[in-house]
Amino acid sequence: GDSVTQMEGPVTLSEEAFLTINCTYTATGYPSLFWYVQYPGEGLQLLLKATKADDKGSNKGFEATYRKETTSFHLEKGSVQVSDSAVYFCALSSVYNTDKLIFGTGTRLQVFP
Amino acid sequence: EAGVAQSPRYKIIEKRQSVAFWCNPISGHATLYWYQQILGQGPKLLIQFQNNGVVDDSQLPKDRFSAERLKGVDSTLKIQPAKLEDSAVYLCASSLVASTNYEQYFGPGTRLTVT
Repeated sequence: GDSVTQMEGPVTLSEEAFLTINCTYTATGYPSLFWYVQYPGEGLQLLLKATKADDKGSNKGFEATYRKETTSFHLEKGSVQVSDSAVYFCALSSVYNTDKLIFGTGTRLQVFP
Repeated sequence: EAGVAQSPRYKIIEKRQSVAFWCNPISGHATLYWYQQILGQGPKLLIQFQNNGVVDDSQLPKDRFSAERLKGVDSTLKIQPAKLEDSAVYLCASSLVASTNYEQYFGPGTRLTVT
């Protein structure tokens, strides 16, 4: 079945460092791909998405590119802030059930001043 | 616009007891989802409603879990009897329609601890 694999955390960075959180997927066809973020004490929020190969999703300085050839959707940010500390979830929606989200296990990011 | 509301935020019960969670989706959202998020794992869909009808409950343990969405607005998720492995955060989400083009909005969740 469809699945998402994320790098384990926590990822610990100093403020202004470059961030990469790896995400790869297994799915039939070409699913839509998402990054969700969960700040402490809050619900999951959609951060960005891409719906077809080579699309780049971006929001709040974060970017991710849908790479069909490597079945990846890595999250990047050029300069992280303390306020970016949160748990990040990669997810996909199946070609055959387009609103059902399948999540990865999440990666905790801790940014220190 | 008010977000998805859930209550209670925390619940501690003993195994074999029953518990119920409540969700109020964003006004006008036809689709409502319940997810289970076990510690260290990503959310897993339990059940999806379209208005007051069930679209997908394939991963709902129906011997102990039940859910309803009367009048197509609020929803309740019940566990009876609870097991230790039910300890998790239960997330409710809603979307305007069931489509990738429409974002799912999540509530803050209910953290259940079964002792």
